[in-house]
Amino acid sequence: QQQVKQSPQSLIVQKGGISIINCAYENTAFDYFPWYQQFPGKGPALLIAIRPDVSEKKEGRFTISFNKSAKQFSLHIMDSQPGDSATYFCAASLSGSARQLTFGSGTQLTVLP
Amino acid sequence: GAVVSQHPSRVICKSGTSVKIECRSLDFQATTMFWYRQFPKQSLMLMATSNEGSKATYEQGVEKDKFLINHASLTLSTLTVTSAHPEDSSFYICSARDFERGGDTQYFGPGTRLTVL
Repeated sequence: QQQVKQSPQSLIVQKGGISIINCAYENTAFDYFPWYQQFPGKGPALLIAIRPDVSEKKEGRFTISFNKSAKQFSLHIMDSQPGDSATYFCAASLSGSARQLTFGSGTQLTVLP
Repeated sequence: GAVVSQHPSRVICKSGTSVKIECRSLDFQATTMFWYRQFPKQSLMLMATSNEGSKATYEQGVEKDKFLINHASLTLSTLTVTSAHPEDSSFYICSARDFERGGDTQYFGPGTRLTVL
């Protein structure tokens, strides 16, 4: 019940295209859903995050869509660029003192020039 | 923005030696820090949660005597891999919560690549 399932495992997109990565969760007590971007040999960097009281959040080319009833959320990268090529992780956390993150398995995105 | 540093960025050591990795929050106070381990092409695996001034909480299967965690101040946590062996070779990443800025977000350090020969 603590799992976050992420798909696809890998994604290849042409420059200028839209990259879409999906995540699903089981635990309805999760109340914070961040997305992280990780380049090889580096630590993850926070991209964007959402709470279940909103259905969509946009920051620049990155948008999170959230479907509470379906227990799913997705990351959309508009106008994808080769510099976006990285591994993307979705995550979820519970309210409480620790706020531990449960990570998805990751999606390796390759944007072709 | 919130910055977390790690030192060293990479370390190579001989089997049987101990290695200490430092994690610092540079521009905020971190009441809670986390330590993760990541294998190539895999997700992050939480090893332990540490709160300033108290003992760390280890995840199931993580040996607390093997991976010693100390969170002595609001800006510094250390992970010591004791008597390291080749199977301990991995990418170790810390993160910190900025409690004053809301506390929900974890900011990650750049990671430490440990290679045990």
